[in-house]
Amino acid sequence: KAGVTQTPRYLIKTRGQQVTLSCSPISGHRSVSWYQQTPGQGLQFLFEYFSETQRNKGNFPGRFSGRQFSNSRSEMNVSTLELGDSALYLCASSLVRSGGYNEQFFGPGTRLTVL
Amino acid sequence: GESVGLHLPTLSVQEGDNSIINCAYSNSASDYFIWYKQESGKGPQFIIDIRSNMDKRQGQRVTVLLNKTVKHLSLQIAATQPGDSAVYFCAEMGGSGTYKYIFGTGTRLKVLA
Repeated sequence: KAGVTQTPRYLIKTRGQQVTLSCSPISGHRSVSWYQQTPGQGLQFLFEYFSETQRNKGNFPGRFSGRQFSNSRSEMNVSTLELGDSALYLCASSLVRSGGYNEQFFGPGTRLTVL
Repeated sequence: GESVGLHLPTLSVQEGDNSIINCAYSNSASDYFIWYKQESGKGPQFIIDIRSNMDKRQGQRVTVLLNKTVKHLSLQIAATQPGDSAVYFCAEMGGSGTYKYIFGTGTRLKVLA
């Protein structure tokens, strides 16, 4: 079974631009979560989607947004990029089980560099 | 590969010895926990999980211990191997239905040959 895939793997943008990152979950997984990873802040939760609905959101500004499509693929968008947005963006997918206990499986991440 | 964390606590262990990595979690209502391993240039890899109604769970060469009284989680790796060198994170989920994981800062494990 293929794992979580993320595209692109590397991206370089300049301040003020916007960026869209893509995530394809493991087949059959309907929950997709996004995280930002930086050396200083560690892994920070951005948002989680299930059946095209955002169910939870972390403490990030409105410049960070996401969506999920009917095939469970997800995208996240960052508008008006700032230098501090440089990070590894990780996507994780889960097979939703009763009781809500879901193992999350991560993709390799997209390394975003903002110049 | 990327640097996961420049100032992470580091545990150095001799090859063949057992490793114990500790994690203090934040929310007493958290009821599901996962340990992840992250190698340079890769996303976190699931190792083992445990629910709050358990205090111990064993996998292949790994054991997770949960102490809810002091909000502490540990990962024990038996017979540590060079391939175990990585950054290890614990993650907590704050109750069924929150759909949100909170990650610890991570511990870098270095296996000495």
